[in-house]
Amino acid sequence: TQLLKQSPQFLSIQEGENLTVYCNSSSVFSSLQWYRQEPGEGPVLLVTVVTGGEVKKLKRLTFQFGDARKDSSLHITAAQPGDTGLYLCAGEGPSWGKLQFGAGTQVVVTP
Amino acid sequence: GAGVSQSPRYKVAKRGQDVALRCDPISGHVSLFWYQQALGQGPEFLTYFQNEAQLDKSGLPSDRFFAERPEGSVSTLKIQRTQQEDSAVYLCASKTGGYSYNEQFFGPGTRLTVL
Repeated sequence: TQLLKQSPQFLSIQEGENLTVYCNSSSVFSSLQWYRQEPGEGPVLLVTVVTGGEVKKLKRLTFQFGDARKDSSLHITAAQPGDTGLYLCAGEGPSWGKLQFGAGTQVVVTP
Repeated sequence: GAGVSQSPRYKVAKRGQDVALRCDPISGHVSLFWYQQALGQGPEFLTYFQNEAQLDKSGLPSDRFFAERPEGSVSTLKIQRTQQEDSAVYLCASKTGGYSYNEQFFGPGTRLTVL
C-alpha cells in the first residue's frame, strides 16, 4: 500500500515543454525525497526537502514542499529526452530513515 | 566504481524453490535496507540493518523471507518456497549513518521471476 499518492501516473511530452509531477500524503514525514529511476537501475536521489514551504532548484528542476509538509511537486522546465524516467517521491520516517515511496510517475520526453 | 552491487542481477526460480539474493553495500556504510519493487510500483520497505543488527523487519511479507548481515557488511535476502507473488525487483540500499537525512544509495536490483 502506497501512502504517498503521485499524479499523474504517466506523462508524455515533447522536448521543450514544461511538466509538473505531484506527490500527496496524509502523513507528515521527517523529509521528502525525489528520485529518478531508469530501467534496470536503482533509484537515484535528486533532492531532499525538509522544511515546510521550502523550494529547491536543481538546474531545470524545481522542487516545492508544502507548508504542512504533506505534499510536494516537481516541475521540469524545457524538458529534454534525458529527463525520461520514473520519478518517485519518498517520505522519510524518523530515527533511521525508512523510506515510503509513491507508485511513481513515468515521464517520457520525445525529441 | 564503489557503488552498491547486487547479485545475481536476474534470477528465475520454479515455484517452491529457495533463492538467495546478495547485496554488497558501499564500504563503511552502517545502514542497509532491502526494498521490494513490483512491476509498475514504487519500492516497498522490507527490512533494515544497522551494522549486523536487524532493527526493523516489519516489511517482510511472510516468514518465508529472511535477511541477514552477519559481519555488518554483505547482506543476503533469502526467500524460501518461492511463490509467483514473490516475482519483483529486490533493491538494496546503504547509507553512512544510522539516522535520517543521510542519502541512501541504491544498487541496480535483482529481478526475480518465479514460474
